[in-house]
Amino acid sequence: AQSVAQPEDQVNVAEGNPLTVKCTYSVSGNPYLFWYVQYPNRGLQFLLKYITGDNLVKGSYGFEAEFNKSQTSFHLKKPSALVSDSALYFCAVSSGTYKYIFGTGTRLKVLA
Amino acid sequence: DTEVTQTPKHLVMGMTNKKSLKCEQHMGHRAMYWYKQKAKKPPELMFVYSYEKLSINESVPSRFSPECPNSSLLNLHLHALQPEDSALYLCASSYPGPRTEAFFGQGTRLTVV
Repeated sequence: AQSVAQPEDQVNVAEGNPLTVKCTYSVSGNPYLFWYVQYPNRGLQFLLKYITGDNLVKGSYGFEAEFNKSQTSFHLKKPSALVSDSALYFCAVSSGTYKYIFGTGTRLKVLA
Repeated sequence: DTEVTQTPKHLVMGMTNKKSLKCEQHMGHRAMYWYKQKAKKPPELMFVYSYEKLSINESVPSRFSPECPNSSLLNLHLHALQPEDSALYLCASSYPGPRTEAFFGQGTRLTVV
C-alpha cells in the first residue's frame, strides 16, 4: 500500500533562514509525489511534483523538493523563508488513478 | 482559468435541513473530487467522478449524495446531517491519471447545528 509520512507536526524557522519540511514515502512501483500548501480556511494549493527525471524539482513561490530514492524521501525546501510562508504543508503520493494519499501535515511557522 | 470555485463559502444547517454544495471548474478536467477535511487533519477522499460517472465512493454515508450534471459542475447534496459532519468540504479537479496534480477550491465551511 502507498503511504507518506511527515514526521514533524510543526517546524519553526526564522525569517531569512533556509527551511526544510520532511516527507518520507512507501510505494510499490514508481512514486508520484506532490507537495501542497494550505493557508487558514482555504483549499490546498499545489506547489510541485516529482514524476520522473531530475531529483531536484522546482515549484511555485521559490520552493523546491529533493527526491531521494535510497532514503525514500521527498523533502520540501526553500533557501530563504518568508513570514508569509507560514501555513500547513501536505506531502502526498498518488495511489493509482484518482487517489492521493496525504501525509498528516506539517505546520510551518516562520518567525520575524 | 485555473480556478475551482465553490459555493457557498460558509453554510450553517440544522440536522433536518436539505442543502447543496456546488463546485465549478473550466480547466477541461474530466476528474472531479469531493474531500472532507477536519481541522488540522489531511483531506479525506469522499467521491470521485470521472467523465461524469461516479468512479469512487469511499463508503460515504447516504446522507451525502454527489451529482455531476456535466463536465464542469459537481454538486454535493446534504440531508439529515449530524453535528460530526461539520467540516471543511473541498472540491478538486484534475486530468485523469496518477501523474497529475489536483486543483482545489477554497472549500465550504459547513456547520451542522
